[in-house]
Amino acid sequence: AQSVTQLDSQVPVFEEAPVELRCNYSSSVSVYLFWYVQYPNQGLQLLLKYLSGSTLVKGINGFEAEFNKSQTSFHLRKPSVHISDTAEYFCAVSDLQGGSEKLVFGKGTKLTVNP
Amino acid sequence: ETGVTQTPRHLVMGMTNKKSLKCEQHLGHNAMYWYKQSAKKPLELMFVYSLEERVENNSVPSRFSPECPNSSHLFLHLHTLQPEDSALYLCASSQEVQGGQPQHFGDGTRLSIL
Repeated sequence: AQSVTQLDSQVPVFEEAPVELRCNYSSSVSVYLFWYVQYPNQGLQLLLKYLSGSTLVKGINGFEAEFNKSQTSFHLRKPSVHISDTAEYFCAVSDLQGGSEKLVFGKGTKLTVNP
Repeated sequence: ETGVTQTPRHLVMGMTNKKSLKCEQHLGHNAMYWYKQSAKKPLELMFVYSLEERVENNSVPSRFSPECPNSSHLFLHLHTLQPEDSALYLCASSQEVQGGQPQHFGDGTRLSIL
């Protein structure tokens, strides 16, 4: 079964600085990859997804992620963050084993953007 | 209304109570999901329904009982819960179960067991 590792549980940055949130998954077989964001007292919202094709994926709110098959990574980046980007970010992988497709989530990374 | 709506937003109940969580999606999706979100732990998939048929029961205790009367509505019936069941319960939907379809989440029900 797939597993997802988000290496940083908390990432503090200053406003307008770049940020990278790291995500590694366990299997190199064909996968679908997702990043979700959760603002306080809300559910998860899709930021971007990789299904196939170009390894650089652009999402909403200026975020992008790069799929690296050899390193089994799908790191999320933004060149300049805003205060409003403060939230928890979850990496997820579709587990295609066992006859059904399930999303496996990482533990999340809390991004705090300071003025 | 659009999206995925969950009610109630907050629920406090004793261990002997029976209550139900409700989820409704207005997206025309065929698949619906229940997740449990606890502090310091990844989201845990509980149940998956496709076209009102349960296709996944992820080793969830029987004190949680799902019901999907149609493709737009999903319920989670609760009885004799334990303190460790306190968590945020999230409902989600997607167009289909397969094919990397993104899931759309509700805002959750915050459940506290006394």
